[in-house]
Amino acid sequence: DAMVIQNPRYQVTQFGKPVTLSCSQTLNHNVMYWYQQKSSQAPKLLFHYYDKDFNNEADTPDNFQSRRPNTSFCFLDIRSPGLGDAAMYLCATSRDLQLPRGHSGETQYFGPGTRLLVL
Amino acid sequence: QKEVEQDPGPLSVPEGAIVSLNCTYSNSAFQYFMWYRQYSRKGPELLMYTYSSGNKEDGRFTAQVDKSSKYISLFIRDSQPSDSATYLCAMSQAGFANDYKLSFGAGTTVTVRA
Repeated sequence: DAMVIQNPRYQVTQFGKPVTLSCSQTLNHNVMYWYQQKSSQAPKLLFHYYDKDFNNEADTPDNFQSRRPNTSFCFLDIRSPGLGDAAMYLCATSRDLQLPRGHSGETQYFGPGTRLLVL
Repeated sequence: QKEVEQDPGPLSVPEGAIVSLNCTYSNSAFQYFMWYRQYSRKGPELLMYTYSSGNKEDGRFTAQVDKSSKYISLFIRDSQPSDSATYLCAMSQAGFANDYKLSFGAGTTVTVRA
């Protein structure tokens, strides 16, 4: 089945120790997103890639970086995790928006998430 | 004022009841409206997708969009304990290159009691 896969599902890291979360997709979607979701809150967009074009949200801290080596994979790097970075990190994908109006290409499909704990 | 407002609940209903969820929004440019279901400690799962105003039905789920009132709804008929989850509304503008943002509501937590 085509899907969005995230690894690991749970990640424990130490304060200040770099950590990398990974996302892969078999949907062949152009666009990939990373969201941060804290308890009882809406997902917050960190950045997204349209193909290889990287788009950072204005309020995303410099501590968060991303890489997309190919269409299928995207990584989230947290350079120096703080206690406030403990959250669920969600990867999502969508198809090219250059589609007929009303097409469901605008829909985003989410992975199961990686829950990050910072000690 | 948030761009998308959603009552966080929690909402508790008996099995078989109709669950009614809604969101209001302020951005009149939104044209694509979605409902996601999120089980505890899982990623959001797309439930319903609607373009522009109107109703859409899929099994026990009905989504309604009223763009004139900037109001969207999700109804779950004959609710089941397996419907217990957080429901997130999301919406986006007509797409153009490199701008695919979804604006989410905070989510409503629903519990269906057996």
